[in-house]
Amino acid sequence: DAGVTQSPTHLIKTRGQQVTLRCSPKSGHDTVSWYQQALGQGPQFIFQYYEEEERQRGNFPDRFSGHQFPNYSSELNVNALLLGDSALYLCASSPIYSGQPNTEAFFGQGTRLTVV
Amino acid sequence: AQSVTQPDIHITVSEGASLELRCNYSYGATPYLFWYVQSPGQGLQLLLKYFSGDTLVQGIKGFEAEFKRSQSSFNLRKPSVHWSDAAEYFCAVGARITGGGNKLTFGTGTQLKVEL
Repeated sequence: DAGVTQSPTHLIKTRGQQVTLRCSPKSGHDTVSWYQQALGQGPQFIFQYYEEEERQRGNFPDRFSGHQFPNYSSELNVNALLLGDSALYLCASSPIYSGQPNTEAFFGQGTRLTVV
Repeated sequence: AQSVTQPDIHITVSEGASLELRCNYSYGATPYLFWYVQSPGQGLQLLLKYFSGDTLVQGIKGFEAEFKRSQSSFNLRKPSVHWSDAAEYFCAVGARITGGGNKLTFGTGTQLKVEL
């Protein structure tokens, strides 16, 4: 059973450019969340997608956007890149159990984005 | 809003010694608590989780954690540390997203070094 897969693993972009990161959730999972982990910090919640809709967003500007496809995979897009966007971007998937809030998140290996 | 504090940024223990990593949380309702481990350049692996019931939770790799509501703590313990336990450890609290899964709020992490 493949876990959460993310691509690419590493990426170098120039300030002002745009980037797209991809995530395939674990089999049987239909919810995808994205987190940003800056160097030396804990992951911070960007947003979550379920049923192809953004369900909640963390404290991130509109330059960060996402999409979820019918097969539950997801993309994270970042426009107008800043040096401060350099981080490890983690995708997490979880199943939705109706009425059961205790869902466990499984994380991918992450995409290391460097903005120069 | 929920928050997590991990007071120890770095901890060094000798192989075979016992370990306790501290975690304090702030959350208005019944917390969903997690401990994750991250090896260099890797994603997050779930060690254990607490949702309800027995306050002493057993996890993988010989780890356990105890939920203490009166102290708002969820400390991670291991009786005998192995060199392979060297990694970064993150405590997280989960909050339910309406119509979705959980949003995780992480602490800043504790870097564990194991001396042989």
